Amino acid sequence: QKEVEQDPGPLSVPEGAIVSLNCTYSNSAFQYFMWYRQYSRKGPELLMYTYSSGNKEDGRFTAQVDKSSKYISLFIRDSQPSDSATYLCAMSADSGAGSYQLTFGKGTKLSVIP
Amino acid sequence: NAGVTQTPKFRVLKTGQSMTLLCAQDMNHEYMYWYRQDPGMGLRLIHYSVGEGTTAKGEVPDGYNVSRLKKQNFLLGLESAAPSQTSVYFCASSYDYGLLTPGGETQYFGPGTRLLVL
Repeated sequence: QKEVEQDPGPLSVPEGAIVSLNCTYSNSAFQYFMWYRQYSRKGPELLMYTYSSGNKEDGRFTAQVDKSSKYISLFIRDSQPSDSATYLCAMSADSGAGSYQLTFGKGTKLSVIP
Repeated sequence: NAGVTQTPKFRVLKTGQSMTLLCAQDMNHEYMYWYRQDPGMGLRLIHYSVGEGTTAKGEVPDGYNVSRLKKQNFLLGLESAAPSQTSVYFCASSYDYGLLTPGGETQYFGPGTRLLVL
């Protein structure tokens, strides 16, 4: 079983739709959860960061972490064509439990159609 | 601040040739990482460094060597390139591993180097 599972898509939605992107994980030691956005032929850039369980909102983006289910989500409201990108989830354990590494999902490719 | 920069942006090598990829960061980050990204495989960690003069192996280190002689630079070397090393290579850096600073383990990526080995 992979440590982090992420549906690769592709996911195609009309402009204005609500998008839900998800990752599941198996390592209960993960405490830090991130979402990265990667445009075509660019490096990943940090979109959202969450520590432990709960929700975090930033504009049209909401990140949710459910540690009891080992499940994280990224919601995009009022999606725009500029949101078309690959979204990577990433997570890491507390420094006392693992190495200095992030574990990445393989990414979900999203296309928002005007 | 330029953030994380990578040199070169694109390179074509013949099998058996060697090359060095350069990563530089101006954020005074302690930790630096080299990844490769291949279709269907996601990001895979090659080597990383937790400070000047240190290096450690990641998930896929074979065929690569690294050096961190200066805090701001992290070099990735291919001694004898193989077609299997055709990939996009990303460098990243982070302030620390979160123990001291929540969010410090957040990694910032460079724009990538596209390498084709024929």
